[in-house]
Amino acid sequence: GEEVAQTPKHLVRGEGQKAKLYCAPIKGHSYVFWYQQVLKNEFKFLISFQNENVFDETGMPKERFSAKCLPNSPCSLEIQATKLEDSAVYFCASSQGNEQFFGPGTRLTVL
Amino acid sequence: DQQVKQNSPSLSVQEGRISILNCDYTNSMFDYFLWYKKYPAEGPTFLISISSIKDKNEDGRFTVFLNKSAKHLSLHIVPSQPGDSAVYFCAASFSGNTPLVFGKGTRLSVIA
Repeated sequence: GEEVAQTPKHLVRGEGQKAKLYCAPIKGHSYVFWYQQVLKNEFKFLISFQNENVFDETGMPKERFSAKCLPNSPCSLEIQATKLEDSAVYFCASSQGNEQFFGPGTRLTVL
Repeated sequence: DQQVKQNSPSLSVQEGRISILNCDYTNSMFDYFLWYKKYPAEGPTFLISISSIKDKNEDGRFTVFLNKSAKHLSLHIVPSQPGDSAVYFCAASFSGNTPLVFGKGTRLSVIA
């Protein structure tokens, strides 16, 4: 598609439950990035992919977070055993050059 | 340790006037700089970018200026319109599809 699509728009989970977020990059873009926006305006990089390969995972809290980009499927970000501090807006972005184009985000609320 | 700083949390400008949003960075290895506009409950929208080898880039009402020696960039919006009211984020990256490093944003209010 012409835009980055993210689903769901909102997700509510009880502490300890699993959360799974999806991202469909712009068609033709090889790179996908996941960011977490906490405290309203701070963006934290989590992980990036080049096609289906992990490109940079330096921002990932590896104990509970995992991500995949499989061929012909939306990319996914999964949080096992969510914690209260995982409450944030998760943005996906895709790129084919220097500019990254963002999706509308998924707001995760952990109760 | 913030590598990209937007020191003004908010800015109010009258419609038709110039809006100037500022951004400072600390890492001289940054290769590319971008400005994004964000409305509430939406994702950041790419506005304009500049490579570290240039000092100015213009696109319609938007111009970005880069001063490498001062590690400073600015976004000029002329003329400002009420629809420009949003939070503006400055971001920087190294070369080669690296993650963006964002500032904390400046909320611009354009008053009619």
